[in-house]
Amino acid sequence: GAVVSQHPSWVICKSGTSVKIECRSLDFQATTMFWYRQFPKQSLMLMATSNEGSKATYEQGVEKDKFLINHASLTLSTLTVTSAHPEDSSFYICSATGQGHQPQHFGDGTRLSIL
Amino acid sequence: AQTVTQSQPEMSVQEAETVTLSCTYDTSESDYYLFWYKQPPSRQMILVIRQEAYKQQNATENRFSVNFQKAAKSFSLKISDSQLGDAAMYFCATRQGGADGLTFGKGTHLIIQP
Repeated sequence: GAVVSQHPSWVICKSGTSVKIECRSLDFQATTMFWYRQFPKQSLMLMATSNEGSKATYEQGVEKDKFLINHASLTLSTLTVTSAHPEDSSFYICSATGQGHQPQHFGDGTRLSIL
Repeated sequence: AQTVTQSQPEMSVQEAETVTLSCTYDTSESDYYLFWYKQPPSRQMILVIRQEAYKQQNATENRFSVNFQKAAKSFSLKISDSQLGDAAMYFCATRQGGADGLTFGKGTHLIIQP
């Protein structure tokens, strides 16, 4: 089946630093990638949708200057949490889909802890 | 906007028995998709089953089946012959088009008692 790799799986950093998370589709061309956020014991919330070569579309309430998304190729999207603070600590999961009504394939997620 | 409601925060079932997880949704679209995802403690998202709204026949995947009631906007998941490995969080989700993100319910924590 389709494989999506997400890296890193866990990152701990100091408040004020920026953190980049990568999401790669390993065996298919991901025309669209999605970024979700999941707080402990809660559901996944869609943060943004990115199409290859286009600017990301952010959901209401998500700060685009805080969460920078780049989708420069059909196999890679990155999420950069800029000037991270403890309230940004969460589990971030990406998913990817190809053209048409293909199912979304999820990465294994990144646990972000800001001290 | 789409919404998904899972009214059962937690369910418990004896191993080998059958359990049904409920899900209702709201959407103004006529063309949409419905999903059940499983999230074990590893937090990996595993697709359990999917249903296209235009299909009247209920989807089935081995021990997993759905009861899709389009008029009632209900999409319940039935797990037959429950196994210890079925223990996890189960999320119901909907999606409009192929390039749209998923809207998830709050999840149901399924406990399998040996």
